[in-house]
Amino acid sequence: KQEVTQIPAALSVPEGENLVLNCSFTDSAIYNLQWFRQDPGKGLTSLLLIQSSQREQTSGRLNASLDKSSGRSTLYIAASQPGDSATYLCAVLYGNKLVFGAGTILRVKS
Amino acid sequence: GAVVSQHPSRVICKSGTSVKIECRSLDFQATTMFWYRQFPKQSLMLMATSNEGSKATYEQGVEKDKFLINHASLTLSTLTVTSAHPEDSSFYICSAPGQNEKLFFGSGTQLSVL
Repeated sequence: KQEVTQIPAALSVPEGENLVLNCSFTDSAIYNLQWFRQDPGKGLTSLLLIQSSQREQTSGRLNASLDKSSGRSTLYIAASQPGDSATYLCAVLYGNKLVFGAGTILRVKS
Repeated sequence: GAVVSQHPSRVICKSGTSVKIECRSLDFQATTMFWYRQFPKQSLMLMATSNEGSKATYEQGVEKDKFLINHASLTLSTLTVTSAHPEDSSFYICSAPGQNEKLFFGSGTQLSVL
């Protein structure tokens, strides 16, 4: 069964701290992996997409890594800001089916 | 970037009524749209894949007669929850693939059935 797990479920950090969100998946035959941001009452915003042949992607203060063999991905957020507070979702694309993790609720305190 | 517009954002209805949710791709054509449901503190779960001009593909356990999907044009897909019941209360969200295989999501619809 293709499952995606995210740890931790929730995280609260002071402003300025660097942090890591974790995602693991059971089936390594992935097409790609995406990290999304979900704000309350709003849709999802795609943050980073890593193809199965890639190891990492970077955008601004965000860096996502992918280790297919171990079934893991991490999202690194540098110098966190209160505006980063949101739910972060990891999703793995298998063929044409996207399987989501339950998300990590991040709160950055000012 | 690509924009997917979803309406309504919130709907409250009585049990037994039907609710239609619209999803439009504003600046690109979407031959495929995905419909997801999310219960509180749970993952987004794919309900069905709508295909322009053909029947939708439903995931196992999703009743196609209850969740009617229509993808009549390259920019519009609709999900109708028929004879809604309180257990159908959930967050429904659509998405469409854009360039570079990224998925673009609507803003979601919070459905509350009384």
